[in-house]
Amino acid sequence: KAGVTQTPRYLIKTRGQQVTLSCSPISGHRSVSWYQQTPGQGLQFLFEYFSETQRNKGNFPGRFSGRQFSNSRSEMNVSTLELGDSALYLCASRPRAVYNEQFFGPGTRLTVL
Amino acid sequence: DQQVKQNSPSLSVQEGRISILNCDYTNSMFDYFLWYKKYPAEGPTFLISISSIKDKNEDGRFTVFLNKSAKHLSLHIVPSQPGDSAVYFCAASSDNYGQNFVFGPGTRLSVLP
Repeated sequence: KAGVTQTPRYLIKTRGQQVTLSCSPISGHRSVSWYQQTPGQGLQFLFEYFSETQRNKGNFPGRFSGRQFSNSRSEMNVSTLELGDSALYLCASRPRAVYNEQFFGPGTRLTVL
Repeated sequence: DQQVKQNSPSLSVQEGRISILNCDYTNSMFDYFLWYKKYPAEGPTFLISISSIKDKNEDGRFTVFLNKSAKHLSLHIVPSQPGDSAVYFCAASSDNYGQNFVFGPGTRLSVLP
């Protein structure tokens, strides 16, 4: 089975721009979560989607949004980028919403200049 | 306020010796704990987990201990191998939180040959 894939792997943007990141979960997995990883902060939970519905949301401003499609693929959008948004964005999938192990993709490294 | 803490940002251990990685949590509602390992340029991979009904779980060279009264868990790696060099994340979840996973900031383990 193919793992979780994320595109693009690397991205450079400037302040004020917007960005869309994509995640394809493992086939058959219906839950997709997004995390932001920065040095010293670990993985900060952004949101989780299950069956095209946002199920949970972390403490991030409204500039961070996401969606999930009927094929379980998910996108994350960040508008009006700030320097502090520079981070590794990780996507994780699991077969169903209540399942303890998550499977992570390699991440998208976003640099905001 | 971090609900999951890993107070040692880094740890160095000699090959063949024991590595002990520590994790503390503040939320008594957490009832399931996981350890993930992350290599550079890869997403975290699941290592081992423990439910709050247990105080120990073992898988090969990896053992996780849970002390609920102290809100503390630890991961023991015996014997440590150079390939174990990675960042280790502790994560906690609770059914009451809809199975959101709260991650610690990570500990970088270096196993020296």
